Amino acid sequence: QVQLVESGGGVVQPEGSLRLSCAASGFAFSSYGMHWVRQAPGKGLEWVAFIRSDGSKKYYADSVKGRFTISRDNSENTLYLQMNSLRAEDTAVYYCAKDPTVGGTLDYWGQGTLVTVSS
Amino acid sequence: EIVMTQSPATLSVSPGERATLSCRASQSVSSKLAWYQQKPGQAPRLLIYGASTRATGIPARFSGSGSGTEFTLTISSLQSEDFALYYCQHYNNWPLTFGGGTKVEIK
Repeated sequence: QVQLVESGGGVVQPEGSLRLSCAASGFAFSSYGMHWVRQAPGKGLEWVAFIRSDGSKKYYADSVKGRFTISRDNSENTLYLQMNSLRAEDTAVYYCAKDPTVGGTLDYWGQGTLVTVSS
Repeated sequence: EIVMTQSPATLSVSPGERATLSCRASQSVSSKLAWYQQKPGQAPRLLIYGASTRATGIPARFSGSGSGTEFTLTISSLQSEDFALYYCQHYNNWPLTFGGGTKVEIK
């Protein structure tokens, strides 16, 4: 069955960096686009970034453009999110999610990893 | 950016009753609209895509309708496990955006 397991969250100071990972199993990872979505404590869902199956195209929310970088290693079945210049408003649970088509719906989600930006 | 607006923010419904949730897009998204359910402490779960197609394993009591800018999620007879948060999301173009959510609570 499809499994997505995020890791790498934690507490980081403002202007710091963090790299999140999402280990995928149970499906042909290299054939699917992948997303990052975040949810601030007690708030709604915010889409963060998308990467195509072969890594050839990437899209970002304006709120993270220029600070966050999505990438993937298809040989390791792993998705990444490099987060730089972190701000308090980046505090959230970060979910990775699989896209069954191309830039469409998000059909499987991981359980999320919490990132807290605080001094 | 397309703004997705959900109403109401909270819906109080008795078990067995029908629930109707609304989602409006600030511009047409055709039928590129999905609905998700989220329970406390859990990741979201895909319910509906293409505005009206149920995802794998989703019970028939969940149905979606609409196109363009107006969409509806209907739960025909609420079960105890259906009390949760529901989000709509468009995928017509980038960036993807979600609505603010509707909480379905027990009346």
